[in-house]
Amino acid sequence: GENVEQHPSTLSVQEGDSAVIKCTYSDSASNYFPWYKQELGKGPQLIIDIRSNVGEKKDQRIAVTLNKTAKHFSLHITETQPEDSAVYYCAAVNAGNMLTFGGGTRLMVKP
Amino acid sequence: KAGVTQTPRYLIKTRGQQVTLSCSPISGHRSVSWYQQTPGQGLQFLFEYFSETQRNKGNFPGRFSGRQFSNSRSEMNVSTLELGDSALYLCASSAIAGGYEQYFGPGTRLTVT
Repeated sequence: GENVEQHPSTLSVQEGDSAVIKCTYSDSASNYFPWYKQELGKGPQLIIDIRSNVGEKKDQRIAVTLNKTAKHFSLHITETQPEDSAVYYCAAVNAGNMLTFGGGTRLMVKP
Repeated sequence: KAGVTQTPRYLIKTRGQQVTLSCSPISGHRSVSWYQQTPGQGLQFLFEYFSETQRNKGNFPGRFSGRQFSNSRSEMNVSTLELGDSALYLCASSAIAGGYEQYFGPGTRLTVT
């Protein structure tokens, strides 16, 4: 089955700095890569996603890049704010149409 | 548009009992998926229902089952509860089957004692 690895597991940045979270996947047939943000006591919130026929997607301060050849994708957050502090999950939908999640990254933005 | 709702939000059960959790998807969404979230195993896929049919199932024992009703509401059932079943159970809905564009509810926190 699909295996999604996510790094780093924790990330601490100063407010205003950029944050980058990286994920790799194993199933070359995976075709959809969402990113979720989970705050304490809440369910994961879909923040951005990308399909395999696109290399990059941007939405205000967040962007996702996908390298199909290397089987990795990344989340970039610019001008981080304290409210960006949360656990972020990458995920991939594989050929079996199942969503597999990475292990999560705890992002802390220090004011 | 109202989001995904899950009931109850918290549950405490004893080993050996069974439990039923409920999920109401976003209006118009016909796909409902269930996930288990634990500190040790992270987020793991349980199963997906689309138009009342189970489309996919994760690697969980048969004690975990689910169903979907004609109004797209879904329930999941866990029989013969074990301590290891303590987890946050999350439901996600989508207009599309197959794991795409899923929106999650707040979850049901199940504690087995």
